[in-house]
Amino acid sequence: GENVEQHPSTLSVQEGDSAVIKCTYSDSASNYFPWYKQELGKRPQLIIDIRSNVGEKKDQRIAVTLNKTAKHFSLHITETQPEDSAVYFCAASTQTGANNLFFGTGTRLTVIP
Amino acid sequence: DSGVTQTPKHLITATGQRVTLRCSPRSGDLSVYWYQQSLDQGLQFLIQYYNGEERAKGNILERFSAQQFPDLHSELNLSSLELGDSALYFCASSVEAPPDTQYFGPGTRLTVL
Repeated sequence: GENVEQHPSTLSVQEGDSAVIKCTYSDSASNYFPWYKQELGKRPQLIIDIRSNVGEKKDQRIAVTLNKTAKHFSLHITETQPEDSAVYFCAASTQTGANNLFFGTGTRLTVIP
Repeated sequence: DSGVTQTPKHLITATGQRVTLRCSPRSGDLSVYWYQQSLDQGLQFLIQYYNGEERAKGNILERFSAQQFPDLHSELNLSSLELGDSALYFCASSVEAPPDTQYFGPGTRLTVL
């Protein structure tokens, strides 16, 4: 099955700086890559996703890039704010038949005011 | 609010007991997924149902079972509970039209004493 690795496990940045979280996946059939933000004790919330026919997608301060050849994708958050502090999970899915998500192990992002 | 509801929010029970967790998907969503989130395990896919039929199985223990009813709500049954079953259990739903987006419910926190 799919194996998703995520780095780093923790990340601290100063407010206003950028944060980058990287993920790799193993199954070349994976073609859907969402990112979720989870605050303590709450549900994972989708913040951005990318399909395999797109190399980059941006939504205000958040962007995701995908390199299918290298099987990795990254989350970029610019101009970080304290409310960006949370755990971020990447995931991958094949989107055919069973499209359950395979999650990375999460990155705890702390934005220091 | 994702539109996915889960009950109960919290559940405290003893080892050896059986519990049932309930999930109602977003209106129009046919697919329901169950995930387990333990402190040291991240988000693990358990099982998926689509329009009443089991679609995919992940790392679900034999002590656990699930079903999806004609009104599309789903129940996850956990029996012979062990201390290690203590976790957050999330339900997610999707329309099931690849590529697809999964929206998570608020979760049920299970504590086994």
